[in-house]
Amino acid sequence: RKEVEQDPGPFNVPEGATVAFNCTYSNSASQSFFWYRQDCRKEPKLLMSVYSSGNEDGRFTAQLNRASQYISLLIRDSKLSDSATYLCVVNIPQVGSNYKLTFGKGTLLTVNP
Amino acid sequence: EPEVTQTPSHQVTQMGQEVILRCVPISNHLYFYWYRQILGQKVEFLVSFYNNEISEKSEIFDDQFSVERPDGSNFTLKIRSTKLEDSAMYFCASSAPHSGANVLTFGAGSRLTVL
Repeated sequence: RKEVEQDPGPFNVPEGATVAFNCTYSNSASQSFFWYRQDCRKEPKLLMSVYSSGNEDGRFTAQLNRASQYISLLIRDSKLSDSATYLCVVNIPQVGSNYKLTFGKGTLLTVNP
Repeated sequence: EPEVTQTPSHQVTQMGQEVILRCVPISNHLYFYWYRQILGQKVEFLVSFYNNEISEKSEIFDDQFSVERPDGSNFTLKIRSTKLEDSAMYFCASSAPHSGANVLTFGAGSRLTVL
């Protein structure tokens, strides 16, 4: 099983649609989880952290299910500007007390007018 | 908003040449990273650096790679003898003391093309 695995996509949705992305991770000792956004040929930017209780930031809702090792991101009322690649990122423990932020391959979202 | 700056934005080099990619992390950050992204592929961890030493490195980060923080502000990645497969976007990142290895701020990247 890959360390971080995401829906392969791509997703093409109309403006105003609701879209959900899923992600699974293999290491049950992982502690921190994030969604990053990456525009074409740009750097990844933090979209939101993901907490066990679930968290919401405007139109974006992130959920974590530790038992299933599953993370999701829901985007409501999608805008043209939401078009980007969404990266699931997990902080995976290494030998000793180190952690390593590990990225999924990303899911491309295109929001169409 | 504080940012991580990287130079050059694009470098073209011949196979076998040495390349140095430079980064200026955010000034109060203590953790520094290099990641790379080959075109069309995922962002891959190369190395993390804390307290003037490497804290973690991936299997990609072999003897051809080295990092340095020579003067307290710059953080450099050196590739000693470039190969075609080193062509990628290289991202520098840093994180604040309180966030540890969690919340990273990335630079805009340095695109390396090896011919």
